[in-house]
Amino acid sequence: GQNIDQPTEMTATEGAIVQINCTYQTSGFNGLFWYQQHAGEAPTFLSYNVLDGLEEKGRFSSFLSRSKGYSYLLLKELQMKDSASYLCAYPSGGYNKLIFGAGTRLAVHP
Amino acid sequence: DAGVIQSPRHEVTEMGQEVTLRCKPISGHDYLFWYRQTMMRGLELLIYFNNNVPIDDSGMPEDRFSAKMPNASFSTLKIQPSEPRDSAVYFCASSLIAAPQETQYFGPGTRLLVL
Repeated sequence: GQNIDQPTEMTATEGAIVQINCTYQTSGFNGLFWYQQHAGEAPTFLSYNVLDGLEEKGRFSSFLSRSKGYSYLLLKELQMKDSASYLCAYPSGGYNKLIFGAGTRLAVHP
Repeated sequence: DAGVIQSPRHEVTEMGQEVTLRCKPISGHDYLFWYRQTMMRGLELLIYFNNNVPIDDSGMPEDRFSAKMPNASFSTLKIQPSEPRDSAVYFCASSLIAAPQETQYFGPGTRLLVL
């Protein structure tokens, strides 16, 4: 099976902050990706972390701890359009062989 | 740029029929990936190509599945014969190079329903 785990569903309120966690187990770590996928659409790239720490991109930030096999995606000032699935993934084996988590379905309500 | 193009967007077929899914990667991208997404198994890599050559097909579920890339701008994923458990969304993606940080760009997907 895939050694990557994230919560199945989360809900949050518009304007709030939400943190989506991802834990993984892999040898030969080559970074961790976050993708966003709206219902009925394709996944789109959000972030890539290879070093420990927090990387900020506007309302979205991604954190990585390699020693703990842990990452999170932080979404601030939530908007209704942020309702989507968020998938974490790591490259396995070959550099381009991505292993995806099952995704976290985030529902933002007024 | 047009992005990754897939056709058809939707396919409904009967068990036993042959299904062919098509993909045109982003121009200049050397890597092409076929994924399958279901509720039960999530997003799974089936096969990927580098410069039209299959590199890793370990994710192809069984011999009923085959993929080809006859040139840099076209790939097909074929299922013959199709079964109801093949119902899923099939995504094609492409990337420029083989670096770990290289982003994969996904097409809109083909929603396949096998009755």
